[in-house]
Amino acid sequence: SQKIEQNSEALNIQEGKTATLTCNYTNYSPAYLQWYRQDPGRGPVFLLLIRENEKEKRKERLKVTFDTTLKQSLFHITASQPADSATYLCAPGVGYGQNFVFGPGTRLSVLP
Amino acid sequence: DVKVTQSSRYLVKRTGEKVFLECVQDMDHENMFWYRQDPGLGLRLIYFSYDVKMKEKGDIPEGYSVSREKKERFSLILESASTNQTSMYLCASIPPSANEQFFGPGTRLTVL
Repeated sequence: SQKIEQNSEALNIQEGKTATLTCNYTNYSPAYLQWYRQDPGRGPVFLLLIRENEKEKRKERLKVTFDTTLKQSLFHITASQPADSATYLCAPGVGYGQNFVFGPGTRLSVLP
Repeated sequence: DVKVTQSSRYLVKRTGEKVFLECVQDMDHENMFWYRQDPGLGLRLIYFSYDVKMKEKGDIPEGYSVSREKKERFSLILESASTNQTSMYLCASIPPSANEQFFGPGTRLTVL
């Protein structure tokens, strides 16, 4: 069955460092992969989408990579700030409107 | 900005009650989704709809039904609430020709 794993349930890093979150998937061939941010008690908010033919995508301090051979996506936050503290979810998808599956999330805490 | 609203942020119901959770989006999206989110289990898809009066079962439809009489409104119905349906319920929609999901703020339902 399809499985999505995110590297750890929780990750603590020091302010100013780069946070790296991992999303691995098995029994799945996504055409794209999305990353969302979720704050406590709130709905997820879309951050970035990367397609299978893209190796890397950037948006401000965020960078996402997608390796279809390794079946893995890496999500980086550079120069992290306490305001980046949240849970980050990955969501692979196979077609339009068909990204129903979310990873369990990684709770990131950026310590001042 | 796209706005997805849910009828209640918090709801407390008794076992056996019929519960209606309402979701409204204001951007003419065709695809709408209902998820529940539980600690350790992540987001799980209950039902989704591609158009008015259309519905498809997700991964965990048992004990739930949905209604989509108008394009902007997607309702989740718990026919006879049970304590194991205590959860955070999240509604989402997707704009045409895109894949990012716009989530509502969530309804935290407690069934006593």
